[in-house]
Amino acid sequence: ELKVEQNPLFLSMQEGKNYTIYCNYSTTSDRLYWYRQDPGKSLESLFVLLSNGAVKQEGRLMASLDTKARLSTLHITAAVHDLSATYFCAVDMGSGGSNYKLTFGKGTLLTVNP
Amino acid sequence: DTAVSQTPKYLVTQMGNDKSIKCEQNLGHDTMYWYKQDSKKFLKIMFSYNNKELIINETVPNRFSPKSPDKAHLNLHINSLELGDSAVYFCASSQAGYNSPLHFGNGTRLTVT
Repeated sequence: ELKVEQNPLFLSMQEGKNYTIYCNYSTTSDRLYWYRQDPGKSLESLFVLLSNGAVKQEGRLMASLDTKARLSTLHITAAVHDLSATYFCAVDMGSGGSNYKLTFGKGTLLTVNP
Repeated sequence: DTAVSQTPKYLVTQMGNDKSIKCEQNLGHDTMYWYKQDSKKFLKIMFSYNNKELIINETVPNRFSPKSPDKAHLNLHINSLELGDSAVYFCASSQAGYNSPLHFGNGTRLTVT
């Protein structure tokens, strides 16, 4: 059974600081996704990582994937309050085509303090 | 122009009742899903349908029965509701091509009293 572990689960950081969220998974996959969820809201797709060495950046967030280490990272640069949310990584073990089977990590609750 | 819409947004009911949640997507996607998010925010897949065909049926009590009348709709019916069914249920859809992640609805918060 695929296990997806995120750490830390809780992250409180100051504005302007940098930090990294880690996502480890137990079974070979080269399809990993990061989502953001604001309180009481839906999940918003942030990054799609589809191959070893993939790196994607959007604003102050950068995600990478190392399929050999079964590790993805979400790096936050110069955090701002608007980044406060819960961040989930998810690994796909679906059968292909449009049939995804995402297993989610437990989420990292990020709080950015002024 | 909501992409994945669920109704109702909130559902409060008593134990033993039967309830349904409806989901519709206007993205033209082939596959739809139900995910359950528990009180600790853990998300777990329940079902997926591709073009009205059941693809994934995780270990879910058979009190939960999904129904897909067409590829744009996936409803979830729950019989004999229990306290442990209280959660947020998210509908999602996806299209072929791994560049396309799941698109989630806004969720239905089910509270069983």
